[in-house]
Amino acid sequence: LAKTTQPISMDSYEGQEVNITCSHNNIATNDYITWYQQFPSQGPRFIIQGYKTKVTNEVASLFIPADRKSSTLSLPRVSLSDTAVYYCLVGVRGGFKTIFGAGTRLFVKA
Amino acid sequence: DTAVSQTPKYLVTQMGNDKSIKCEQNLGHDTMYWYKQDSKKFLKIMFSYNNKELIINETVPNRFSPKSPDKAHLNLHINSLELGDSAVYFCASSLAVSGPGSTDTQYFGPGTRLTVL
Repeated sequence: LAKTTQPISMDSYEGQEVNITCSHNNIATNDYITWYQQFPSQGPRFIIQGYKTKVTNEVASLFIPADRKSSTLSLPRVSLSDTAVYYCLVGVRGGFKTIFGAGTRLFVKA
Repeated sequence: DTAVSQTPKYLVTQMGNDKSIKCEQNLGHDTMYWYKQDSKKFLKIMFSYNNKELIINETVPNRFSPKSPDKAHLNLHINSLELGDSAVYFCASSLAVSGPGSTDTQYFGPGTRLTVL
């Protein structure tokens, strides 16, 4: 399984766009990139998944360069409620084994 | 309407006791998981079941025994509890992947905070 590296923590202010980058140099051809969000005292929640280029949904955008060795989760106009830990995962769909790294703790300030 | 539910939410017990945590999902998923999140917040997979069959066992002590009576349930029994077992245990489920465009998004339960005294 490809290992991922993310910043340990990030600070932001309400209304700003936040970009969290994840490195996965050993990503395999069949691997997908998935991001989860975890609020305190809750289980992780799926945010977005992609394979290449750009994926956008109502919550976030995911940018994946052509070499796929990194990916960037973009949160537009964050609010205080976006304070959470964000995990980047890389793996084969249906592989069942999911490896969560340390994640990035995002603090959104007023 | 709860997709993945766990009971109990909190569990406080003495060392050496045996306890169980129950998990149920009403999403019709084929795969269920148990994760452990320790005090440092690292989330580690413990077990994975697909159609009631154990497919992942991540070097977890034998004191931990998962049981899946049917696809909708995955329970975790822990024998001879130790201090180091204190953590939050999360159950999750996902739909089996089949064909392009499918996804194996995992849906997590609210967690069970286990405290061993």
